[in-house]
Amino acid sequence: SQTIHQWPATLVQPVGSPLSLECTVEGTSNPNLYWYRQAAGRGLQLLFYSVGIGQISSEVPQNLSASRPQDRQFILSSKKLLLSDSGFYLCASLTPGSYEQYFGPGTRLTVT
Amino acid sequence: LAKTTQPISMDSYEGQEVNITCSHNNIATNDYITWYQQFPSQGPRFIIQGYKTKVTNEVASLFIPADRKSSTLSLPRVSLSDTAVYYCLVGARNSGNTPLVFGKGTRLSVIA
Repeated sequence: SQTIHQWPATLVQPVGSPLSLECTVEGTSNPNLYWYRQAAGRGLQLLFYSVGIGQISSEVPQNLSASRPQDRQFILSSKKLLLSDSGFYLCASLTPGSYEQYFGPGTRLTVT
Repeated sequence: LAKTTQPISMDSYEGQEVNITCSHNNIATNDYITWYQQFPSQGPRFIIQGYKTKVTNEVASLFIPADRKSSTLSLPRVSLSDTAVYYCLVGARNSGNTPLVFGKGTRLSVIA
């Protein structure tokens, strides 16, 4: 099975500050990678997904961006955070041809 | 992607069997039905997947009628630890280029 690492676990950032969340994957090669955001008491919103190094698809327009510099590394960034960026950010991995999506432990971001 | 509809919330007493039904009227021929479970402040985890008829594992059973326009997740003899949000997803097994979309899920509360 796969293991997804995310850090930090919690983060408090002021409005207008930059953001960098990192996700790394173990136990698979060439996975599809995903960033989701979950607001309190809400469902998961897909933000970005990647099917390979340097390949990023954006699902929603926002001030966030994603990058995949290595096969098993996925980074979520922002140049200037907004209050509305607060939420629980989850990274997920799926091995092509498989059917089970693995999720990381998540990062809880509070923008103040 | 086939859209899913499931109840927003359900309550159950400990020891009872819980059935959560998901509607997916426009499911495609090559779509599978997958259920995930999410505890608070954690990422979702895979429970079960099926294509037709019945699938059973150590955690749950999944019932899919012949027309495949709905499915029912069955949790036998629930305990307090089964309190979680349950998501029904529909999509092709190799969904790398078409990511799975999570709805709002069903919030199950198990009462002692």
